[in-house]
Amino acid sequence: DAGVIQSPRHEVTEMGQEVTLRCKPISGHDYLFWYRQTMMRGLELLIYFNNNVPIDDSGMPEDRFSAKMPNASFSTLKIQPSEPRDSAVYFCASSRPGRAYGYTFGSGTRLTVV
Amino acid sequence: ELKVEQNPLFLSMQEGKNYTIYCNYSTTSDRLYWYRQDPGKSLESLFVLLSNGAVKQEGRLMASLDTKARLSTLHITAAVHDLSATYFCAVDERKKYGGSQGNLIFGKGTKLSVKP
Repeated sequence: DAGVIQSPRHEVTEMGQEVTLRCKPISGHDYLFWYRQTMMRGLELLIYFNNNVPIDDSGMPEDRFSAKMPNASFSTLKIQPSEPRDSAVYFCASSRPGRAYGYTFGSGTRLTVV
Repeated sequence: ELKVEQNPLFLSMQEGKNYTIYCNYSTTSDRLYWYRQDPGKSLESLFVLLSNGAVKQEGRLMASLDTKARLSTLHITAAVHDLSATYFCAVDERKKYGGSQGNLIFGKGTKLSVKP
């Protein structure tokens, strides 16, 4: 089990550019979550999927943010256009049915928008 | 709306001392999770508490859950420097008529620093 795999680990981009973050959940996990972590706001849930279907995207800050899960093994979080205030660490997490084991988090993507 | 509050947010301890971190939550839930995060790293699952009265222990850490009081505690015994990290509690958000919403709501974290 390779765990939850996120890419890239670090991303530096210029304001206005499109950014795509990627996540591969653990096989067999039916929930996938995208979180954003900043010093000021802590861990914020952006969106989550169950069986590839978006369940709650109320945490997505603006229309500039979008997320997809085309299949059980892949998800993307896209920011277009990016802004400096989007700078944060973005975590993807997945959980198995029943969630008796909680979430497994990926290593995160540290995004810096300059 | 479920709110999760941890206290203290910052904790500086001496090695060998005991201390407790508290996690209060605002609505009914019977599932609570504790995570550890080292600086610049991801979140690592520590404990999963799935019922009222649940108690789990791992090394110098012990977590408990009181669903009636909507309170979980993380007790640190004889702290050592290796325990320095940020500790998060997270609560499974429940639907109004039972069942899980499917997502966890996290507290702001307690940054623990253990000094020699």
